[in-house]
Amino acid sequence: KQEVTQIPAALSVPEGENLVLNCSFTDSAIYNLQWFRQDPGKGLTSLLLIQSSQREQTSGRLNASLDKSSGRSTLYIAASQPGDSATYLCAASANAGGTSYGKLTFGQGTILTVHP
Amino acid sequence: GAGVSQSPSNKVTEKGKDVELRCDPISGHTALYWYRQSLGQGLEFLIYFQGNSAPDKSGLPSDRFSAERTGGSVSTLTIQRTQQEDSAVYLCASSRRTNYEQYFGPGTRLTVT
Repeated sequence: KQEVTQIPAALSVPEGENLVLNCSFTDSAIYNLQWFRQDPGKGLTSLLLIQSSQREQTSGRLNASLDKSSGRSTLYIAASQPGDSATYLCAASANAGGTSYGKLTFGQGTILTVHP
Repeated sequence: GAGVSQSPSNKVTEKGKDVELRCDPISGHTALYWYRQSLGQGLEFLIYFQGNSAPDKSGLPSDRFSAERTGGSVSTLTIQRTQQEDSAVYLCASSRRTNYEQYFGPGTRLTVT
């Protein structure tokens, strides 16, 4: 059974700092890994999706890396801003008997606070 | 374009009543997923649709939960004889095809009193 863990559970940083959020998963046979942000009382917003054959993806100030062999992914946020404050979730797309259909297993999230 | 929509946004119901939650996926998305988010359990998978069929119902917590999808579009999640432990936010997601990026709706907050 896939298990996804995110560290740290919470992070508070001053504006402008670069930061790294960590995600680890127990079953390396994933199809892809997706990072989301969730604002309080809202749904999930997709940030980046990394296919299992890829090593990283970039979007603006965000960069996500994937190392399947070690079961790890990181989300790097450059020059953080107060608007980046949210909960960040990573989710691994599980394989089911060799066939994957996109069922996501989520970590518990990292609560990020960027203060001015 | 329009994103995933869910209705109602909030639902308060009495224990023992049935509820229906609706999801309208992004037009053209063939895969549809239901998840549940609760304080104690985090985000957990409930059921997945490819077209109108549900190959994996393994996440449904009990036989009080059922879901259907019609016309390859709208999906309804039904909870019969609601219990207090059913209180959670129910999230729907869709993707163009399986294993593509999933887009989530705003969720339905269900409170069972």
